[in-house]
Amino acid sequence: DTAVSQTPKYLVTQMGNDKSIKCEQNLGHDTMYWYKQDSKKFLKIMFSYNNKELIINETVPNRFSPKSPDKAHLNLHINSLELGDSAVYFCASSQDPQMINYGYTFGSGTRLTVV
Amino acid sequence: GESVGLHLPTLSVQEGDNSIINCAYSNSASDYFIWYKQESGKGPQFIIDIRSNMDKRQGQRVTVLLNKTVKHLSLQIAATQPGDSAVYFCAENRISSNTGKLIFGQGTTLQVKP
Repeated sequence: DTAVSQTPKYLVTQMGNDKSIKCEQNLGHDTMYWYKQDSKKFLKIMFSYNNKELIINETVPNRFSPKSPDKAHLNLHINSLELGDSAVYFCASSQDPQMINYGYTFGSGTRLTVV
Repeated sequence: GESVGLHLPTLSVQEGDNSIINCAYSNSASDYFIWYKQESGKGPQFIIDIRSNMDKRQGQRVTVLLNKTVKHLSLQIAATQPGDSAVYFCAENRISSNTGKLIFGQGTTLQVKP
């Protein structure tokens, strides 16, 4: 059973389209995250939700909108996709927002390519 | 500024040798650090962590050293194997308003030569 699962694994789309990435965790964790990894492998936090409540919202274009229907799910919707949005997006979860133990468990990533 | 950095983008070692990957951090208030391993096409995987009240922690074939005086972290891998080839990240837990977030360094690519 995959602990943190993301779908789709690959996403190729045209500029201007709207797309969503889904994430689910079965670890019983309270906190979930979205990270973006650029072409140089740099990982940067975008959002964090704790038990469906937004707790971290980094400087991200408002074309990106996270949604958490319950604490096991965190989806990412992106409007009006741009070439610069091409990256690998990782979902992650942690036991609690302070990450007292073990940091995050990551999903396997969604490679988004905007053409 | 606040950042977590790694000294070398790529490290090439011979199979069986020991590897040392370094990381410098700038936030002296950080009290929890983690090393992650990312294999090609996969998400980062937890390797080992250390808190600021320790200066050394050992796992299976891995050791993390923390020097708070110079704000330096290192990961040592003993008897490096081909399966250790990956990108390694250090990360620090930044706490603000009772919420943490992991700030990652740039990553060091470890290449193991047979």
